[in-house]
Amino acid sequence: GQSLEQPSEVTAVEGAIVQINCTYQTSGFYGLSWYQQHDGGAPTFLSYNALDGLEETGRFSSFLSRSDSYGYLLLQELQMKDSASYFCAVRGFGQNFVFGPGTRLSVLP
Amino acid sequence: NAGVTQTPKFQVLKTGQSMTLQCAQDMNHNSMYWYRQDPGMGLRLIYYSASEGTTDKGEVPNGYNVSRLNKREFSLRLESAAPSQTSVYFCASSEHRPGQGLDTQYFGPGTRLTVL
Repeated sequence: GQSLEQPSEVTAVEGAIVQINCTYQTSGFYGLSWYQQHDGGAPTFLSYNALDGLEETGRFSSFLSRSDSYGYLLLQELQMKDSASYFCAVRGFGQNFVFGPGTRLSVLP
Repeated sequence: NAGVTQTPKFQVLKTGQSMTLQCAQDMNHNSMYWYRQDPGMGLRLIYYSASEGTTDKGEVPNGYNVSRLNKREFSLRLESAAPSQTSVYFCASSEHRPGQGLDTQYFGPGTRLTVL
């Protein structure tokens, strides 16, 4: 099976950089994904790491280390609109998906 | 493209009633998923369909059934609703190309279900 852990809450100020960690226990998976969800909305895709290393998409970057069973999402130049919940997720080899419990990010002015 | 559509957006049921949540995608994706999300919680997989004609149980399948009607449509049925099934239900479809390092899920807007 698979299980993922994330911090429940993170707070940062506008313009800052924040890192949201995700640790996992899994028997095997294709890659680690990150999704953003605003209150009352649906999750939307942010980033995907199939291989170890850093993936950069604008202000967002994501990192994966399979040897450490660890990944993170890095958000730079924080804006108020980044206040949302962030979920890491893995796709198992059986094509199922497992999501982490989510990290609620609050961006303060 | 409409992406992933779900109906209804809101529903109130009494304990013991049945209903079917509808989901359709127009992106020609093979895989489709049903999740539930309880307040302040993550998404939990109910059932998924890796391809047309196949369905598999996820983490929390009890009390639900699914039908992959065709490649576009994947429905979720509650045969006898219980208050514990009060939740927000999301349908998703996904594009997965391992060789290209691509894996993206697209979510519908959700159905907010209350069971009294």
